[in-house]
Amino acid sequence: DIQMTQSPSTLSASVGDRVTITCRASQSISSWLAWYQQKPGKAPKLLIYKASSLESGVPSRFSGSGSGTEFTLTISSLQPDDFATYYCQQYNSYPFTFGGGTKVEIK
Amino acid sequence: QVQLVESGGGVVQPGRSLRLSCAASGFTFSNYGMHWVRQAPGKGLEWVAVIWYDGGNKYYADSVKGRFTISRDNSKNTLYLQMNSLKAEDTAVYYCAREGGSRGYSAYLLYWGQGTLVTVSS
Repeated sequence: DIQMTQSPSTLSASVGDRVTITCRASQSISSWLAWYQQKPGKAPKLLIYKASSLESGVPSRFSGSGSGTEFTLTISSLQPDDFATYYCQQYNSYPFTFGGGTKVEIK
Repeated sequence: QVQLVESGGGVVQPGRSLRLSCAASGFTFSNYGMHWVRQAPGKGLEWVAVIWYDGGNKYYADSVKGRFTISRDNSKNTLYLQMNSLKAEDTAVYYCAREGGSRGYSAYLLYWGQGTLVTVSS
């Protein structure tokens, strides 16, 4: 099975900060990676698919990059609505797997 | 608009069974792969199972293989998860989710239900 490792697990930041979250795969997954945002008590929301494709309706301050085993999610200017937990997920091969999550907290 | 509504959760004793349902609407259900994803209280997301759009292939997480069975009824636009031999560690919110592309083209999870809570406890 492919292991997905996210870092950091928690991130403290201020409104307006540039934030970067890293996701590493235990083997190459090409660009078959998605990023999700989840707020407490809510279902996850798709932000990015195929490593760098922005889902329709998602603000352009979110961007994704990477391929192979190293990926990043960047929020260019953190907004109050962005405080949440973020997960990466590989869909290169079954079983699909998620990273452990990164909680973005208010500094 | 796309809607996924899970049901069937509740409190169940260890070793017993439970069947979850996910009613889909707003899209051609038979064209999309469907997944179950769970989240234990205070924990991260765990992928559970997938069934292809035509029901032809099914895959499971190692943690549920042999105990859980995913199925679908395309005539009823409904996804199911039969959970047998339940354990305390199966306690979680269970989400159903639809793939982004039709017929397996894009397997990321675009639409999610609101989730249903399963509690395994004596």
